[in-house]
Amino acid sequence: AQRVTQPEKLLSVFKGAPVELKCNYSYSGSPELFWYVQYSRQRLQLLLRHISRESIKGFTADLNKGETSFHLKKPFAQEEDSAMYYCALRDSSASKIIFGSGTRLSIRP
Amino acid sequence: EPEVTQTPSHQVTQMGQEVILRCVPISNHLYFYWYRQILGQKVEFLVSFYNNEISEKSEIFDDQFSVERPDGSNFTLKIRSTKLEDSAMYFCASNLAGELYNEQFFGPGTRLTVL
Repeated sequence: AQRVTQPEKLLSVFKGAPVELKCNYSYSGSPELFWYVQYSRQRLQLLLRHISRESIKGFTADLNKGETSFHLKKPFAQEEDSAMYYCALRDSSASKIIFGSGTRLSIRP
Repeated sequence: EPEVTQTPSHQVTQMGQEVILRCVPISNHLYFYWYRQILGQKVEFLVSFYNNEISEKSEIFDDQFSVERPDGSNFTLKIRSTKLEDSAMYFCASNLAGELYNEQFFGPGTRLTVL
């Protein structure tokens, strides 16, 4: 079954500290993996995707097929990073998105 | 920058009433979706729509639900007889093509409260 697991509901770190939001997935094929972010009172927006291999707002995520993980990392957290973060995958043959349960990231000053 | 829009932002209804949630996808997009998020739970796929028909639907999308693109710009989700458990945020999304590597853009959501 297709599943995305985010084990942490809440992650609280100090400003300037490193951040890692964990994501594991279960899928038999080759899905496309994403991170979506939702800032307070704003819509869901795409943060990054595994195929682009780029850094957005200092965040990176590497797809590890052996561990079926796609953890989101940032070396130095900033207060404006406080938001809900959703890991998600998309089926290679369909276009619906399957979301994890989300992690609320709180950056303390 | 074009955005997906949704109306209303908040809808309150009595159990058993019909509701219609409205979405205006980005104008040149071809694939349309509804998702919902019950408070405290994950965002769940409901239905996808392409070429004026449903292309995929989840188990949640039972006979009480229907979708329509009545006029080439709006994309609506109708719930015929609402239940308490239909209370949730409903998100509309659209993308240009139903392939990998095409970003789905989400609307701001409609909060549905069933009393």
